[in-house]
Amino acid sequence: AQSVAQPEDQVNVAEGNPLTVKCTYSVSGNPYLFWYVQYPNRGLQFLLKYITGDNLVKGSYGFEAEFNKSQTSFHLKKPSALVSDSALYFCAVRDKLTGGGNKLTFGTGTQLKVEL
Amino acid sequence: DVKVTQSSRYLVKRTGEKVFLECVQDMDHENMFWYRQDPGLGLRLIYFSYDVKMKEKGDIPEGYSVSREKKERFSLILESASTNQTSMYLCASSLRGAYSNQPQHFGDGTRLSIL
Repeated sequence: AQSVAQPEDQVNVAEGNPLTVKCTYSVSGNPYLFWYVQYPNRGLQFLLKYITGDNLVKGSYGFEAEFNKSQTSFHLKKPSALVSDSALYFCAVRDKLTGGGNKLTFGTGTQLKVEL
Repeated sequence: DVKVTQSSRYLVKRTGEKVFLECVQDMDHENMFWYRQDPGLGLRLIYFSYDVKMKEKGDIPEGYSVSREKKERFSLILESASTNQTSMYLCASSLRGAYSNQPQHFGDGTRLSIL
């Protein structure tokens, strides 16, 4: 079965500093990987995805993610963190489905806290 | 923009009650999903549907059922609510088939408390 792991429950970073939220994956075949963000009392919002192609994927709100096949990782990054980036971040991998579709398996989430 | 609407943001019910959570999407998506979210466990898939009247069990279907009578609407049913079903419930939708790598779009969630 496909799975992802987010090894850090919480990441703290100062505003203006670069941030990294880690994700590793375990899949059979080619991985299809996603990052989502959840602000308080809201649903999840899509940030970016890796399907194929360039290992550096750019997404919404200045976020990017680096796909590394040899390390089976898909870390989320941002060059300069903002206080408004404070939220819960989820990594996800697409499972194979019969009949079409994109069932996702999510990690346990990483709480990002950006402080002044 | 895709809009996924969950009928209630907060809901309080009693043990043994039959509970209905409703979800509507306005983008003609084939796939719809129900998740529950619990701290430290992330999102876990309860049921999903890839067509009208079709349903598939997810990872934790016990104690739940679903109904999809119309393409835009996907209902989650707690047959006899129990306290361990207190959770945040999230509905999502997505395109299917050739577009299966498109992201899922989520509603804002229903925070359900079973007393």
